[in-house]
Amino acid sequence: SYVLTQPPSVSVAPGQTASITCGGDDIGSTSVHWYQQKPGQAPVLVVYKDSDRPSGIPERFSGSDSENMATLTISGVEAGDEADYYCQVWDYSSDPRYVFGSGTKLTVL
Amino acid sequence: QVTLRESGPALVRPTQTLTLTCTFSGFSLRSSGMCVSWIRQPPGKALEWLALIDWDEDTYYRTSLKTRLTISKDTSKNQLLLTMTNVDPEDTGTYYCARTTSSTGFYDFWGQGILVTVSS
Repeated sequence: SYVLTQPPSVSVAPGQTASITCGGDDIGSTSVHWYQQKPGQAPVLVVYKDSDRPSGIPERFSGSDSENMATLTISGVEAGDEADYYCQVWDYSSDPRYVFGSGTKLTVL
Repeated sequence: QVTLRESGPALVRPTQTLTLTCTFSGFSLRSSGMCVSWIRQPPGKALEWLALIDWDEDTYYRTSLKTRLTISKDTSKNQLLLTMTNVDPEDTGTYYCARTTSSTGFYDFWGQGILVTVSS
């Protein structure tokens, strides 16, 4: 099965830039989506199709990818950005068809 | 406005069958391309995709759980069901229903989740 690997934690000071990575075999050839999940809440889509933002998501959230790594970048980090972040891909030929990363806890110092 | 809401028991005994309902509004599961999934999250752990049903009533399951899961829909009631047989304490977690489409691959709307504990 397809595996997406994320660092368990990332820490950043307010106002700085946070980069959260998502590694997967040939991940650059598929679309990657990112979710933010705050404690006790459902996940919220923050980036889809590698780099697009749903309406209502600040421009501070951006995404990119390369051959084996996708990255969620949060610029000008705010205290309210502290949350768990998950990457996700969809591959109709894999099992399971929808794969989530292991999750990264973003701590704002 | 799209909304989804999960309902069901908070506590289930081991070996019993769990039945969860997802009631949704703001979209139709009759619309071509529309899909809804069940996704769960054990306490303190990552999200885990379980199953999907699409507008054409095609169903897809996580292979490791396929023999225990059944996903179905009642389009007239705008509801989705998930049954899981022979539950185990490892099935404890928050269960979410979430919307996607057959062409996008991402989940744009999620229910608030329901915490299910499997314990004797």
